[in-house]
Amino acid sequence: DIQMTQSPSSLSASVGDRVTITCRASQSIDTYLNWYQQKPGKAPNLVIYAASTLQSGVPSRFSGGGSGTDFTLTISSLQPEDSSTYYCQQSYSSPWTFGQGTKVEVK
Amino acid sequence: EVDLVESGGGLVQPGGSLRLSCAASGFTFGSYWMTWVRQAPGRGLEWVANIKADGSEKYYVDSVKGRFTISRDNAKNSLYLQMNSLRVEDTAVYYCALITSYSFKKWGQGTLVSVSS
Repeated sequence: DIQMTQSPSSLSASVGDRVTITCRASQSIDTYLNWYQQKPGKAPNLVIYAASTLQSGVPSRFSGGGSGTDFTLTISSLQPEDSSTYYCQQSYSSPWTFGQGTKVEVK
Repeated sequence: EVDLVESGGGLVQPGGSLRLSCAASGFTFGSYWMTWVRQAPGRGLEWVANIKADGSEKYYVDSVKGRFTISRDNAKNSLYLQMNSLRVEDTAVYYCALITSYSFKKWGQGTLVSVSS
């Protein structure tokens, strides 16, 4: 199985800060990498798919990058509503696996 | 607008069975792969199973193989998860989701399954 490792596990940043979350796969997954945002008590929402494609309706301050084993999710100017847990997920091979999540707190 | 509504969750004893349903609307259900993903209380997300648009291919995480069965009825726009031999560790919120571009594009609100004696 492909293991997905996110870092950091949590972070706290101020409104307007640039924030980057990293996701590393245990083997190459090309660009079969997706990012989800989840608020407490709610279902996850797709943010980025295919490593760098912004899902329709998601603010342009979100961006994704990387290929192979190393990926990033960047929020260019953090907003209060971005306070959430973010998960990466690979769909290169079954079983599709998620990272452990990164909790983002907005100060 | 795409909408997915899960039902069928509840409290069940270890070794028991439950059947989850997911009612889909707002898209051509029979044209898309679908999935079940679960989340144990306070934990992260875990993919459970995928099913091809026509139901001809199914994939499962190892921990549920032989116990869970994913299925669909395209005439009824519905997805199912039959869960047998339930264990305490199967306790979770179960989400159905629509797969596009190898991603979980749209999720339902989830249904809680609690396995406890």
